[in-house]
Amino acid sequence: NAGVTQTPKFQVLKTGQSMTLQCAQDMNHNSMYWYRQDPGMGLRLIYYSASEGTTDKGEVPNGYNVSRLNKREFSLRLESAAPSQTSVYFCASSGLSGANVLTFGAGSRLTVL
Amino acid sequence: GQQVMQIPQYQHVQEGEDFTTYCNSSTTLSNIQWYKQRPGGHPVFLIQLVKSGEVKKQKRLTFQFGEAKKNSSLHITATQTTDVGTYFCAKRGQNFVFGPGTRLSVLP
Repeated sequence: NAGVTQTPKFQVLKTGQSMTLQCAQDMNHNSMYWYRQDPGMGLRLIYYSASEGTTDKGEVPNGYNVSRLNKREFSLRLESAAPSQTSVYFCASSGLSGANVLTFGAGSRLTVL
Repeated sequence: GQQVMQIPQYQHVQEGEDFTTYCNSSTTLSNIQWYKQRPGGHPVFLIQLVKSGEVKKQKRLTFQFGEAKKNSSLHITATQTTDVGTYFCAKRGQNFVFGPGTRLSVLP
């Protein structure tokens, strides 16, 4: 039971390049999330998907796009990377009510030069 | 901006001392969750509080939800080096909104 798997773990991009962060969960969770973490800023929500087929903007969506490919997978795309997008990105998932808590992936450290 | 605030931002303690972090909201919370992130790691769920005045304990950790459900606290008794990390509170609604976290360092 791997939980939430993110790839890649590390990536260096040049300004203007594009890339996709992949995330998959094997817990049959309905909801998935992408957060970014910057020093002193905590975890800020980029996009989330409450269920398969739906996506919604979070606090900081500009410069990103997402795809909920199926119930397991939720990808985050940077179309034209900027230095301000240098951050650690975390994917997370949660189930329905009751034990509705977040399970996080290990994180992806992205540097944009 | 942040809908959930935490203080202090940083806390340095000597091993064996107690530690407390506070989480505050300007609005009434239906629930509050606490997560711990070890250095270089990812956040891990610790506990959820939903009832007014609720107190829960996990070994040396005591979590409390305020009577007005606008604040919460995490208290660690007799800190150990394994307690090092950043502690986040989060409110669960349509999505999860995190506070900025309190980074705890423990000096041996």
